[in-house]
Amino acid sequence: QVQLVQSGAELKKPGSSVKVSCTASGAPFSVYAINWVRQAPGQGLEWVGGIHPKFGTPNHAQKFQGRVTITADTSTSTSYMELSSLRSDDAAIYYCVRLTGGHYFDYWGQGTLVTVSS
Amino acid sequence: DIQMTQSPSSVSASVGDRVTITCRASQAIGNWLAWYQQKPGKAPKFLIHGASTLQEGVPSRFRGSGSGTEFTLTISSLQPEDFATYYCQQANSFPLTFGPGTKVEIK
Repeated sequence: QVQLVQSGAELKKPGSSVKVSCTASGAPFSVYAINWVRQAPGQGLEWVGGIHPKFGTPNHAQKFQGRVTITADTSTSTSYMELSSLRSDDAAIYYCVRLTGGHYFDYWGQGTLVTVSS
Repeated sequence: DIQMTQSPSSVSASVGDRVTITCRASQAIGNWLAWYQQKPGKAPKFLIHGASTLQEGVPSRFRGSGSGTEFTLTISSLQPEDFATYYCQQANSFPLTFGPGTKVEIK
């Protein structure tokens, strides 16, 4: 059974960075891409970006250009999403998700709440 | 980017009712569409892919249809556990985008 377990909630100040981890189990880590989707309070779902552990090339939504870094460590089956220059509108639950070959999100982590406040 | 819209934004219904949600894409996406169900405080659950293929374990009262730019999710007989928010997602091209969601509420 595939499981994605994320790191705990974070409280960050505006302008700082946050790094969220996601550890996968139950399936070979290098077979599927790991992506990140966020959800602001009371809002919808927004794709942030992702990486295929085998190929190592990340991609991300244009709005996060220059601020997001997504990596994968195959030795620990863990993906990381780091977002810098945090603003109040970055406050959200960040989900790691497994991306199928058809570009669907079939397994979701439990979510990591990122709060941005001075 | 492909924009996704959903209608209605919310619907009030009773147990046993038939509910239909529409999702539209700003350009043709073939059948590259998924549906997710999200309950309060939980991560979304993957229901349907390829516009009409149910994920394993999803009850047959859920039905997806459509292609091109217009898609529907129909719940044939609403059950208490179906009250949730439903999102569509296009899988045709990056950036992957979601509809704004449709909340199915208890009447």
